[in-house]
Amino acid sequence: DQQVKQNSPSLSVQEGRISILNCDYTNSMFDYFLWYKKYPAEGPTFLISISSIKDKNEDGRFTVFLNKSAKHLSLHIVPSQPGDSAVYFCAASFNNAGNMLTFGGGTRLMVKP
Amino acid sequence: DAGITQSPRYKITETGRQVTLMCHQTWSHSYMFWYRQDLGHGLRLIYYSAAADITDKGEVPDGYVVSRSKTENFPLTLESATRSQTSVYFCASSPTGKNTEAFFGQGTRLTVV
Repeated sequence: DQQVKQNSPSLSVQEGRISILNCDYTNSMFDYFLWYKKYPAEGPTFLISISSIKDKNEDGRFTVFLNKSAKHLSLHIVPSQPGDSAVYFCAASFNNAGNMLTFGGGTRLMVKP
Repeated sequence: DAGITQSPRYKITETGRQVTLMCHQTWSHSYMFWYRQDLGHGLRLIYYSAAADITDKGEVPDGYVVSRSKTENFPLTLESATRSQTSVYFCASSPTGKNTEAFFGQGTRLTVV
């Protein structure tokens, strides 16, 4: 049973608009959440994270929101750019520990010029 | 070259054969990880290592063997490959074991026929 789910396998957005990627989790013990970005034929790269003591974390065009009561987090990209086209993985862990990382299945984002 | 490299990038092997995937990092990071990526599952941890000669199982270790005789290398061996092990394999390293400080290799696409 997947503990971290990304229910939208793909998302298409126009350049300049907002991209919203969603993620749900089931284990309430997760206390650290991350988003990774992956281009074809490359490994994932860390994008942004949030601790469970916060409900928002912002880094430039990227903002992650955490709703603990709903066990839901989202990644907002504003404004979206064609170079943002990639697969985005949501992941959850305990204490940011690398051996405790659970990934969602990924969402492919396509930003159209 | 500096960084983390995986070899080979692509491999086709037959069922029952032994195959070894290589991972090499130049940063002297203490922690190294092996993941497999399957459609719809995101990445799942196979094995990890906190230091040379220290390894431990992840979420899906069955059918795999690892070793870490040197800090910079973390080979993954499939002792008797099965079709269910067809996947994309990613190696990662981290200086502290934290997910936010992990760097991934480009991946090895393994096909077992």
